[in-house]
Amino acid sequence: KNQVEQSPQSLIILEGKNCTLQCNYTVSPFSNLRWYKQDTGRGPVSLTIMTFSENTKSNGRYTATLDADTKQSSLHITASQLSDSASYICVVSEGNQAGTALIFGKGTTLSVSS
Amino acid sequence: DVKVTQSSRYLVKRTGEKVFLECVQDMDHENMFWYRQDPGLGLRLIYFSYDVKMKEKGDIPEGYSVSREKKERFSLILESASTNQTSMYLCASSQGADYGYTFGSGTRLTVV
Repeated sequence: KNQVEQSPQSLIILEGKNCTLQCNYTVSPFSNLRWYKQDTGRGPVSLTIMTFSENTKSNGRYTATLDADTKQSSLHITASQLSDSASYICVVSEGNQAGTALIFGKGTTLSVSS
Repeated sequence: DVKVTQSSRYLVKRTGEKVFLECVQDMDHENMFWYRQDPGLGLRLIYFSYDVKMKEKGDIPEGYSVSREKKERFSLILESASTNQTSMYLCASSQGADYGYTFGSGTRLTVV
């Protein structure tokens, strides 16, 4: 069964610290992997998208990595800010289809405190 | 930037009412989607559409229908709202599988 598992479920860190969120997937065939940031009460906003051949991609203080062999991805946040407090969702696309082939993780809730 | 606009941020409806949730995108995307998001369950696909007047059921279509009369507009319809349809509803559009999905801000629907 195609699944996307994220860990930890929630995380609290101090402002300025770094953190890493994990995503493991069993989706096959794999097309791409995306990380989204969702602020409370808002829709998800795309941070990165990586295909099979990419193993790292950065977006400002956010760096995503992908190991297609072990089917793992991580999202590293550097020098966290209060505005990073949000839910981070890992989404894996199966094959070359849109729509029904998106497999969503349940997200990691990050709280950054001062 | 692609913009996906959902007509309402918050809605409160009574059980049995017919509810329309509207979504408009401004980038000529062919693919549009409706998801619901519930705590502990993540996002679940209700319906999607690859073209005008075309619709496909997602994972949880029961109790919902959709309409896509124009390319830019995708409507979700709750024929007879029930309390278990209280949720956050998210619309998204996409240019294709290799591209990102752009989500709207969401509509938080409460059915009382």
